[in-house]
Amino acid sequence: AQSVAQPEDQVNVAEGNPLTVKCTYSVSGNPYLFWYVQYPNRGLQFLLKYITGDNLVKGSYGFEAEFNKSQTSFHLKKPSALVSDSALYFCAVRDDIHIAGNMLTFGGGTRLMVKP
Amino acid sequence: DAGITQSPRYKITETGRQVTLMCHQTWSHSYMFWYRQDLGHGLRLIYYSAAADITDKGEVPDGYVVSRSKTENFPLTLESATRSQTSVYFCASSEGLTVGGYTFGSGTRLTVV
Repeated sequence: AQSVAQPEDQVNVAEGNPLTVKCTYSVSGNPYLFWYVQYPNRGLQFLLKYITGDNLVKGSYGFEAEFNKSQTSFHLKKPSALVSDSALYFCAVRDDIHIAGNMLTFGGGTRLMVKP
Repeated sequence: DAGITQSPRYKITETGRQVTLMCHQTWSHSYMFWYRQDLGHGLRLIYYSAAADITDKGEVPDGYVVSRSKTENFPLTLESATRSQTSVYFCASSEGLTVGGYTFGSGTRLTVV
């Protein structure tokens, strides 16, 4: 079975500082990893994904994520946080073995608060 | 979220009533999904569909029914609503057996009183 853990319910950071939102995963095969962002009263929006290749993945709005196979982690990062980055962030994983259903498993979400 | 729409955006219903949440996508994506979002639980999969007339249960299917007679529509029905089904419901679609992610609708906030 596949699973995702986001160990922090909330992350607080000052505007202009770097931010990290943590994600660890568990899969049987190779992981397909995703980050989504949810703004208030909106659906989830795709930020970035890791399928294969470079361990550092760049995505929308200046976000990036680093895949670390040995630590089974896929932490989301941004060099300089903006107040407008404040939102709920979800990490998701799919195991490449279980193709049928194409289902993603989501973490519980981490609320990012960026203060001016 | 252009291309995948959910209706209604907000719904209040009484315990025991049947209620249907609608989801429509315009991309002809093969896969469609229903999730519920609850505080402390994140997103949990209710049902999914790999194609028209093919549906399967997710993690929390009890109390829900789905159908997919057309590729673009994937309605979710609560046959007899309970207060535990108060939640925000998200529909999503995906191109198919690819490594792409999902595209989500804006959600339906359902309150069962």
